[in-house]
Amino acid sequence: QKEVEQNSGPLSVPEGAIASLNCTYSDRGSQSFFWYRQYSGKSPELIMFIYSNGDKEDGRFTAQLNKASQYVSLLIRDSQPSDSATYLCAVYSGGYQKVTFGIGTKLQVIP
Amino acid sequence: DTEVTQTPKHLVMGMTNKKSLKCEQHMGHRAMYWYKQKAKKPPELMFVYSYEKLSINESVPSRFSPECPNSSLLNLHLHALQPEDSALYLCASSTWTGGGEKLFFGSGTQLSVL
Repeated sequence: QKEVEQNSGPLSVPEGAIASLNCTYSDRGSQSFFWYRQYSGKSPELIMFIYSNGDKEDGRFTAQLNKASQYVSLLIRDSQPSDSATYLCAVYSGGYQKVTFGIGTKLQVIP
Repeated sequence: DTEVTQTPKHLVMGMTNKKSLKCEQHMGHRAMYWYKQKAKKPPELMFVYSYEKLSINESVPSRFSPECPNSSLLNLHLHALQPEDSALYLCASSTWTGGGEKLFFGSGTQLSVL
């Protein structure tokens, strides 16, 4: 059973701070990793993906991947109240278009 | 056009009804998906169509019947559902990144079974 683990939160950070969201996965053969943002009552929206060890930056978002530790994280710099949402970690482990989602971490940015 | 369009947005049905959910994408994606999501839970994969052929069925009960009439359309036919089937049903399509499938979700259908 391939598993993706996240702390469900809520993670509360003050406006302007760095929010750090973490995810671990069980399948060492996992190939690529995605972060989706989901506002309450809405559908998930892809915000970052990464498949090489190291950091990948896009605006205020940085994804970090450590395959040896089976760990992927998302950093959100200068957090804004509009970043308040649930962040889903998703892992693709090869095979036939099958992506496994974690339970999601609820982020609350306090003004 | 970078959208996946789902209809209806909300649906209330009785346990004896037959209804259909519809999904459309015009991004040229060759894989389309149905996911089910309950409150405070992650999306759960139900079906995958690849090049209009069913490639994954995650042991979904037969009261859910998928259909892919062409590469842009995906339907989910519902019949004799149970109250526990109430959930957000998400359609998605995907494109290959070179390392994995990037999923693009529709806005979902919030289904209530009475």
